[in-house]
Amino acid sequence: DVKVTQSSRYLVKRTGEKVFLECVQDMDHENMFWYRQDPGLGLRLIYFSYDVKMKEKGDIPEGYSVSREKKERFSLILESASTNQTSMYLCASFERSGGAYGYTFGSGTRLTVV
Amino acid sequence: AQSVTQPDIHITVSEGASLELRCNYSYGATPYLFWYVQSPGQGLQLLLKYFSGDTLVQGIKGFEAEFKRSQSSFNLRKPSVHWSDAAEYFCAVGASGTYKYIFGTGTRLKVLA
Repeated sequence: DVKVTQSSRYLVKRTGEKVFLECVQDMDHENMFWYRQDPGLGLRLIYFSYDVKMKEKGDIPEGYSVSREKKERFSLILESASTNQTSMYLCASFERSGGAYGYTFGSGTRLTVV
Repeated sequence: AQSVTQPDIHITVSEGASLELRCNYSYGATPYLFWYVQSPGQGLQLLLKYFSGDTLVQGIKGFEAEFKRSQSSFNLRKPSVHWSDAAEYFCAVGASGTYKYIFGTGTRLKVLA
């Protein structure tokens, strides 16, 4: 079974800390995504990557950066965490062909910034 | 503008009752349509998807959805709801050649015993 693994289910960080959210996929997918999920707002795209070392901003990139040094790993970085970044973060990878076409999501990381 | 609307934020049904969750979209290209389910504290799991062909698609867990082009809708249905179906449901639209989906804001389903 294909898998997207997010390293932490729950994180509590202090304001101003640098925060790393890690995501690993075992499907050899080129495309990986970071979404933020907030009640009433649905899923909003933060960043995505279509190849190693390649990235593009999504709809809400401010305050975030990403790193993709290896195909299987896509990291989301909060440079200086703020309380308005308290949210559920979802990583996904994307299959571009065949019957499995579409996203596979990780289980999410619920981040609380205090 | 491209968008997905799920008009019902919350829906409550009794166990064993039928269910229909609404999804309307606005999309310039021929859409690919998806329904995902999210159990509390979990990521999103794909229920079903529509690309082309038969407009009634079957998914996992006994769910089905019908694509109606004239109404720009892709409503999710289940004939008899189980307590374990309590979750949040998201509709999404994409297209061939793009991997940026547009997600609806979700419908939270509560099931009464």
